[in-house]
Amino acid sequence: EPEVTQTPSHQVTQMGQEVILRCVPISNHLYFYWYRQILGQKVEFLVSFYNNEISEKSEIFDDQFSVERPDGSNFTLKIRSTKLEDSAMYFCASSDDGQGPDTQYFGPGTRLTVL
Amino acid sequence: LAKTTQPISMDSYEGQEVNITCSHNNIATNDYITWYQQFPSQGPRFIIQGYKTKVTNEVASLFIPADRKSSTLSLPRVSLSDTAVYYCLVDRMDTGRRALTFGSGTRLQVQP
Repeated sequence: EPEVTQTPSHQVTQMGQEVILRCVPISNHLYFYWYRQILGQKVEFLVSFYNNEISEKSEIFDDQFSVERPDGSNFTLKIRSTKLEDSAMYFCASSDDGQGPDTQYFGPGTRLTVL
Repeated sequence: LAKTTQPISMDSYEGQEVNITCSHNNIATNDYITWYQQFPSQGPRFIIQGYKTKVTNEVASLFIPADRKSSTLSLPRVSLSDTAVYYCLVDRMDTGRRALTFGSGTRLQVQP
């Protein structure tokens, strides 16, 4: 069964450093998403991406965040200058061509720890 | 987006059937219902989705009454590995692909 993959599984960084989280969505999917989950809290939407541009973003997704699809398979989330409060699990998801009900497929997540 | 309400937690024993009910009184005509499952430190996983009546797959069944103001996720003969958080989501069918809004979900604990 096709699945979304994410690397690394765990990233430790110092406050103020830049991090790039990587995702490989399911190959025939066209919509891509990033969510995050702070320990013990709800899964929160960050951003969605379609046709090489951001289609929707939350108030969490401020100027320190950016997304990119650098090639035909990868989808990345960059955090420019990490803060302690960015420590969370980050999940990538993808869904298909937009016809009918949506089903989003999530990756296993990257645990980001900011020290 | 229709608001959903589900129990915070449930306990069960291995081999039992578990039914988790979600209320969505303000569901709209074009809304459908989706359930996701999340294990600790993993991403949410799609379980089942439906619009009305009953849907069944290899994992679960979803019962939706005629008024669609609630839905029940039924897990037959649970095992310890079904211990997880279960989320009920209601979303529009006709608005393409959008952000999912997760609530707090129902934390199911299965005991031996």
